[in-house]
Amino acid sequence: GDSVTQMEGPVTLSEEAFLTINCTYTATGYPSLFWYVQYPGEGLQLLLKATKADDKGSNKGFEATYRKETTSFHLEKGSVQVSDSAVYFCALQGGSARQLTFGSGTQLTVLP
Amino acid sequence: DGGITQSPKYLFRKEGQNVTLSCEQNLNHDAMYWYRQDPGQGLRLIYYSQIVNDFQKGDIAEGYSVSREKKESFPLTVTSAQKNPTAFYLCASSTSRDRSAEKLFFGSGTQLSVL
Repeated sequence: GDSVTQMEGPVTLSEEAFLTINCTYTATGYPSLFWYVQYPGEGLQLLLKATKADDKGSNKGFEATYRKETTSFHLEKGSVQVSDSAVYFCALQGGSARQLTFGSGTQLTVLP
Repeated sequence: DGGITQSPKYLFRKEGQNVTLSCEQNLNHDAMYWYRQDPGQGLRLIYYSQIVNDFQKGDIAEGYSVSREKKESFPLTVTSAQKNPTAFYLCASSTSRDRSAEKLFFGSGTQLSVL
């Protein structure tokens, strides 16, 4: 079945540092890929998406590129802020049943 | 403002007790979902409903029950048969019956703990 593997956290960075959170996937066919963010005490919010190979999703300074050759969708941000502290989830949706599969989440803490 | 409201925010269950988690949406969405979130794990689908008076089991439905008597409401009951109920429960809704992930709206969750 489909699966998503995220880099383990927690990740702690200083403000203005560069962020990469790795995400790789296993799926049949051509899934859509997503990053969700969960701020403390809140539900998940869609951060960005990519629906086909080589697409780049971007939002709020975050970017991720759908790499079919490496089955990856790494999340990047050039300069993180304290307000980016949250848990980030990589997810894919594919197959005839449109099953949504989440990764285990990566806790990011940004220190001032 | 439109949105999804989950209540309560924190809930405690005694051994052998059934508890019900509330999920209400005023977004006029057809589809609603319940997910369970455990530390260090991704979300797992418990139940979903694509229309009133109809619902389907997800990946981990054992020990849970739901109802969908109204479009706005999709309560989840954690029964005594669920032996490991401690988790964070997230409700979601969507306009799309094909469950496109980008159309999912999530509530703020309920943390259930066993006393």
